[in-house]
Amino acid sequence: AQSVAQPEDQVNVAEGNPLTVKCTYSVSGNPYLFWYVQYPNRGLQFLLKYITGDNLVKGSYGFEAEFNKSQTSFHLKKPSALVSDSALYFCAVRDMSGGSYIPTFGRGTSLIVHP
Amino acid sequence: GAVVSQHPSWVICKSGTSVKIECRSLDFQATTMFWYRQFPKQSLMLMATSNEGSKATYEQGVEKDKFLINHASLTLSTLTVTSAHPEDSSFYICSARDSGRGEQYFGPGTRLTVT
Repeated sequence: AQSVAQPEDQVNVAEGNPLTVKCTYSVSGNPYLFWYVQYPNRGLQFLLKYITGDNLVKGSYGFEAEFNKSQTSFHLKKPSALVSDSALYFCAVRDMSGGSYIPTFGRGTSLIVHP
Repeated sequence: GAVVSQHPSWVICKSGTSVKIECRSLDFQATTMFWYRQFPKQSLMLMATSNEGSKATYEQGVEKDKFLINHASLTLSTLTVTSAHPEDSSFYICSARDSGRGEQYFGPGTRLTVT
């Protein structure tokens, strides 16, 4: 079984400050982890993914995420937030050993960046 | 990058009518496509997985006679909401899995409003 949790419904941050959007996961085998962003009335846009290798993954628009196996976390980060980063962010996980290629999505975290 | 389109982007229909939503992979072949439903400020709910040339696999609780899915070619899947009711109003998002690279790409979504 695979599951993912995004503990925060909403994250507020001032423009220019660093941001973190949290994600924890649970899988039986090795995780395949993703972050997506969704703007209002739009589909999901891929930000980054982790399969294996370096624990720090760099993605689109200056975002990065750190894979932490011991804490089963994959938090999304950005050193300096922009107002245009305000959107809904989804973490997703797929169990690489499960044979299924269907990811499970978290409930989403609304990021609000204040000017 | 890989592009998935959806048509229409929004549709308003009267209760009791049927609505067809198209999902196309524009520059890759997709043996598998997924249909999701998203309620306001909520995560994506997987409705069904469709494989080209075969019947769709529906998630538990999704009425297959109400949500007809057809995946007749490697680049096109359709979702038909039959006898729509106001409670079917939602944001429907399709996703296509690139058969070659194994990656999953999302369409921009279709906003359905049933009056």
